[in-house]
Amino acid sequence: AQSVAQPEDQVNVAEGNPLTVKCTYSVSGNPYLFWYVQYPNRGLQFLLKYITGDNLVKGSYGFEAEFNKSQTSFHLKKPSALVSDSALYFCAVRDNNFNKFYFGSGTKLNVKP
Amino acid sequence: AAGVIQSPRHLIKEKRETATLKCYPIPRHDTVYWYQQGPGQDPQFLISFYEKMQSDKGSIPDRFSAQQFSDYHSELNMSSLELGDSALYFCASGTSGARSYEQYFGPGTRLTVT
Repeated sequence: AQSVAQPEDQVNVAEGNPLTVKCTYSVSGNPYLFWYVQYPNRGLQFLLKYITGDNLVKGSYGFEAEFNKSQTSFHLKKPSALVSDSALYFCAVRDNNFNKFYFGSGTKLNVKP
Repeated sequence: AAGVIQSPRHLIKEKRETATLKCYPIPRHDTVYWYQQGPGQDPQFLISFYEKMQSDKGSIPDRFSAQQFSDYHSELNMSSLELGDSALYFCASGTSGARSYEQYFGPGTRLTVT
């Protein structure tokens, strides 16, 4: 069965500092991994995905994520956080058979000026 | 580029009423997925359709039903509404082709049951 874990309910970081939002996964077969961002009262917005290839994936708004097969992790990173990055971030894995997503519990990112 | 359209964006119903949520996928997408996101919760998969046939079923209550129509739009019908049904309902669309791993989410319908 596919599953995703986001161990941190909340991450606090100062503007301009690097940020990391953690995600670990459990999948059977090759993992298809995704990050989505959700702003208050808004829908899910796609940030980036890992399907195959380079372990470092670059996405929207300056975010990137590193796929680590040995640690079964797919942490989201950004070199320099912005206050406008404050939102709820979801890691997701795609079910290989039916294409539906399984989401992590979400991590609230707070970027303070 | 065209995105997934959901209507209505907001809906307020009373307990025991019925509600119908609509989803219009991106043109040429043949697959639709429905998710429910309760307050402070992660999105939970409800049901999906491929080529107008139900393709998978998740944690969808028996009080809910859904279908996909010939124009590929989908409707989620919810009856005997309960307070716990208050949530954000997302629709996502995708294709069955080479890029089948991608899903594109709509803005969601916020359902409030009072």
